Amino acid sequence: EAQVTQNPRYLITVTGKKLTVTCSQNMNHEYMSWYRQDPGLGLRQIYYSMNVEVTDKGDVPEGYKVSRKEKRNFPLILESPSPNQTSLYFCASNLGDEQFFGPGTRLTVL
Amino acid sequence: KQEVTQIPAALSVPEGENLVLNCSFTDSAIYNLQWFRQDPGKGLTSLLLIQSSQREQTSGRLNASLDKSSGRSTLYIAASQPGDSATYLCAAPSGTYKYIFGTGTRLKVLA
Repeated sequence: EAQVTQNPRYLITVTGKKLTVTCSQNMNHEYMSWYRQDPGLGLRQIYYSMNVEVTDKGDVPEGYKVSRKEKRNFPLILESPSPNQTSLYFCASNLGDEQFFGPGTRLTVL
Repeated sequence: KQEVTQIPAALSVPEGENLVLNCSFTDSAIYNLQWFRQDPGKGLTSLLLIQSSQREQTSGRLNASLDKSSGRSTLYIAASQPGDSATYLCAAPSGTYKYIFGTGTRLKVLA
């Protein structure tokens, strides 16, 4: 089944403890991206990747890192999480112009 | 910079009614626009993708239109059902690789 998977789905952590949210797609898509969704602000793009080893900043990249070592995986790294990074995170990959989203990761930073 | 607005923010309609959801964008130099559905606590499901060369796309009871000159897209839902209750989001490209989302219209269809 064609899908975008994210892990973990839920995570509660404390300020400053490094974490990684994984994203994987099995559709051989070149383009992948990360979003965060916050009430009243909608979805905002954090980072995107056009292909392996090619990444760029979206609108809200501060406090986040990404890597794209393989086409199928696009992990989101929070080196030192802070409470303002508490949010619902989505990974997406594109088939042409059409975006397909993962199920989301709800992150709480205490 | 692209800005995307969706009005109204929330809408309640009785079952069976036809309805229109609106999406406005500021940069008309877009090459496509995509509509999504999001159920509470869930991910986004792609509904329709309209390329700039198209004016409409249809899928079942859903019809999306795109008018680049006026900076508007509409999502028409025919014969609404309680199962259509969800938040509907539109997304427009900003440049080549970035996407900007509207904040969505929360739809409730009453049985």
